Amino acid sequence: DVKVTQSSRYLVKRTGEKVFLECVQDMDHENMFWYRQDPGLGLRLIYFSYDVKMKEKGDIPEGYSVSREKKERFSLILESASTNQTSMYLCASGLNSNQPQHFGDGTRLSIL
Amino acid sequence: GQNIDQPTEMTATEGAIVQINCTYQTSGFNGLFWYQQHAGEAPTFLSYNVLDGLEEKGRFSSFLSRSKGYSYLLLKELQMKDSASYLCAVTRGGGYNKLIFGAGTRLAVHP
Repeated sequence: DVKVTQSSRYLVKRTGEKVFLECVQDMDHENMFWYRQDPGLGLRLIYFSYDVKMKEKGDIPEGYSVSREKKERFSLILESASTNQTSMYLCASGLNSNQPQHFGDGTRLSIL
Repeated sequence: GQNIDQPTEMTATEGAIVQINCTYQTSGFNGLFWYQQHAGEAPTFLSYNVLDGLEEKGRFSSFLSRSKGYSYLLLKELQMKDSASYLCAVTRGGGYNKLIFGAGTRLAVHP
């Protein structure tokens, strides 16, 4: 079974802090994704990566950056956290367009 | 533009059948996924349709009409544990397994 592990289930940070969310997958997938999930809006793609050190912006990249130094690890960085970044963050990995993405359990992030 | 629509909420009775609809408009369509998400948990994969028609998998079936931009998820013999959100997602152009998600349909199953 594919395992996608996110480092924290719950996280509370302060406005202006730099925040790191970590994600690790164990199935050697090329593609990894970061989403945020907000009520009524569904999952929105922040960034994705299709290979080590390769990344592309998703639909809502502003205020975020990512890092993929190793194939199994994909990090989401909030450069200077703001209250409107309070959300559920979900990491996923996948192979190709005909295969499902596999999700981690999510990190519920609160910015105070 | 790219858009996915599904009902926000549905209710149904244990043992009944429920159909959750999804309509989409997108470029670069390859196929459509359905995921189940229980409150506070990760979405889990239910089904994938790439060709027109019905795909059956136990109590769950999924239908796709590419020409109409329409899909539905059919849940039979509903159980209380089926209370969850159901997410419709379509592939988008550009490869790399990218998906566009609908806002999800919250299904409540009552005794």
